[in-house]
Amino acid sequence: AQRVTQPEKLLSVFKGAPVELKCNYSYSGSPELFWYVQYSRQRLQLLLRHISRESIKGFTADLNKGETSFHLKKPFAQEEDSAMYYCALRGAGANNLFFGTGTRLTVIP
Amino acid sequence: DAGVIQSPRHEVTEMGQEVTLRCKPISGHNSLFWYRQTMMRGLELLIYFNNNVPIDDSGMPEDRFSAKMPNASFSTLKIQPSEPRDSAVYFCASEKRGGNTIYFGEGSWLTVV
Repeated sequence: AQRVTQPEKLLSVFKGAPVELKCNYSYSGSPELFWYVQYSRQRLQLLLRHISRESIKGFTADLNKGETSFHLKKPFAQEEDSAMYYCALRGAGANNLFFGTGTRLTVIP
Repeated sequence: DAGVIQSPRHEVTEMGQEVTLRCKPISGHNSLFWYRQTMMRGLELLIYFNNNVPIDDSGMPEDRFSAKMPNASFSTLKIQPSEPRDSAVYFCASEKRGGNTIYFGEGSWLTVV
C-alpha cells in the first residue's frame, strides 16, 4: 500500500533561515513524487516534481530511494513562502495522486 | 485557459439538504478527480474519472455521496442528505492524457450547519 508521511503539521522559521519540510513515503515500486503548495485560500499549485530535478522559487527536493524520502528544502526562507505544503505520490501506471496530510509553513519576519 | 472551474465557491446549507458541487475541467483533459480537504485528514481522493468513466470511487465516504460525469466538460459531486461532518473544501482537478501534472480548481467551501 502507498503512504505519504509528513511528520510536521506546523513549521515556523525566521525569514532568511533555512527551511526543510519532511516527506517520507512507502511504496513498493518506483513512484513519482511531487510537492504542491497552497497559499492562503487559493488552489493547490504544483511546486515541483522529482523527475524534473528543478528548482522553483528557490525550493529543491531530492528523491532519496534508500531513505524513501523527498524532503523539500530552501536555503533562505522568505515571508511569501508561508503556505501549506503537500507532498504527493503517484504510483507507477496510476492516475491519481496520494497526498500527505500537509505541513503549514510560517515564515516569521 | 481559465483552468479548472468549480461552483459554487462557497455554500452554507442546513443539515439534511442536498448539496451539488460542479466542476468544469480544463478543455482537452481526460482525467478528472474529486478531492476533499479537512483540517484533520488533509487531502483525500474521493473519486476519479478517465474519459468520463468512474475508475476508482473507493474514497467516497458513504452512499450519501455520488459523482457523475455526463460529458468531458462537466462533473458533479452530490451529497444527499448532507451532514455537519461533510463540512470541508472540495477540490476538483483534471489532467490531460499522458500528462504528469494534475491541475486543481479553487475549491468549493462547504459548511453544513
